[in-house]
Amino acid sequence: EAQVTQNPRYLITVTGKKLTVTCSQNMNHEYMSWYRQDPGLGLRQIYYSMNVEVTDKGDVPEGYKVSRKEKRNFPLILESPSPNQTSLYFCASSFTGSHLPYEQYFGPGTRLTVT
Amino acid sequence: KNQVEQSPQSLIILEGKNCTLQCNYTVSPFSNLRWYKQDTGRGPVSLTIMTFSENTKSNGRYTATLDADTKQSSLHITASQLSDSASYICVVSVYGDSSYKLIFGSGTRLLVRP
Repeated sequence: EAQVTQNPRYLITVTGKKLTVTCSQNMNHEYMSWYRQDPGLGLRQIYYSMNVEVTDKGDVPEGYKVSRKEKRNFPLILESPSPNQTSLYFCASSFTGSHLPYEQYFGPGTRLTVT
Repeated sequence: KNQVEQSPQSLIILEGKNCTLQCNYTVSPFSNLRWYKQDTGRGPVSLTIMTFSENTKSNGRYTATLDADTKQSSLHITASQLSDSASYICVVSVYGDSSYKLIFGSGTRLLVRP
């Protein structure tokens, strides 16, 4: 089944304790992206990757890191989490192509609480 | 600044009724416009995708329209069902030389009551 998977789905952690949220897709998509969703703000892009070893900042990259060593994986790293990073996180992937409206598939979400 | 604005913020309708959600955008360079449905706590699911040359697209009881001149889109839901209760998100794609970004609206929360 074609899908985007995220792990963990729920995580409670403490301020400053490094964590990684994994994202994997099995559709051979070039494009992958991380978003956070907060009440009343909609989804905001954190980082995205156009292909392996190509990453770029989205609208709210502060406090996050990413890497794209393999096509299927795009982990989100919080080196020193803070309470303002408490949020619902979504990973997404799609094909890319000049102006072609490829479907973007979202993962099930990771609910992170930083105390 | 690239922005996508949706209205209303929330809407309550009775089962079986129709409704229309609005989306205005100021995004450049425009690539395409999408409508997503998001159930609470779950990832968004695509309903329609339209390029600038398309002005209407349907997916079952969902019909999206796009006016690229006025930079407006609407999502019309016909004969609503209880399962239509969700947030509906308008998203505009920006495709540059080496970047590809989605600009999200904050969504319209729809509640369908029996």
